[in-house]
Amino acid sequence: KQEVTQIPAALSVPEGENLVLNCSFTDSAIYNLQWFRQDPGKGLTSLLLIQSSQREQTSGRLNASLDKSSGRSTLYIAASQPGDSATYLCAGTPAQGGSEKLVFGKGTKLTVNP
Amino acid sequence: DGGITQSPKYLFRKEGQNVTLSCEQNLNHDAMYWYRQDPGQGLRLIYYSQIVNDFQKGDIAEGYSVSREKKESFPLTVTSAQKNPTAFYLCASSTYRQGKGNNSPLHFGNGTRLTVT
Repeated sequence: KQEVTQIPAALSVPEGENLVLNCSFTDSAIYNLQWFRQDPGKGLTSLLLIQSSQREQTSGRLNASLDKSSGRSTLYIAASQPGDSATYLCAGTPAQGGSEKLVFGKGTKLTVNP
Repeated sequence: DGGITQSPKYLFRKEGQNVTLSCEQNLNHDAMYWYRQDPGQGLRLIYYSQIVNDFQKGDIAEGYSVSREKKESFPLTVTSAQKNPTAFYLCASSTYRQGKGNNSPLHFGNGTRLTVT
């Protein structure tokens, strides 16, 4: 059974710091991978989607990469801001599945202090 | 603006009662999903639908039922058979590309927090 580990579970940093969130899958056969942001009491917002033919995606201060050989993904946040405070979740689709097969991590709770 | 609307935001019910959670989307997405989120756990899939009038069980379908009579709507009923119904329920939708897997991002509603006492 595919399982996803997100490290660290929680992270607190001062404003302006660059940071990396990690996500790893027990089965490295990942078809595509998504990173989401969740604010308290809210739904998930899609941040980046790495398609099957891609290795990374960038949006503004965010960069996500996927190493398919190891089943590991990182989310890099540059110049962090207090507004980045949220829980970040990764989710991957197995090689033979659609979104109904998405497996979610438990998330990393990020706090950016002014 | 296009999006997914879940209602109500908070729902309280007595044990033994069925309750229906609403999910409506105006994104013209074919696929819709229901997830459950519990503290300290990842999202778990309850039911999903890839096309109108068709739906499939997810990983934890027992005690739940759904319908998909319209493309825009995918209501979830939590029945009295669900042993631990108190949770945060999230509805999502996406486009679906047959044959290549679904490689479009999921769009989520803001969730319904259900409390059963």
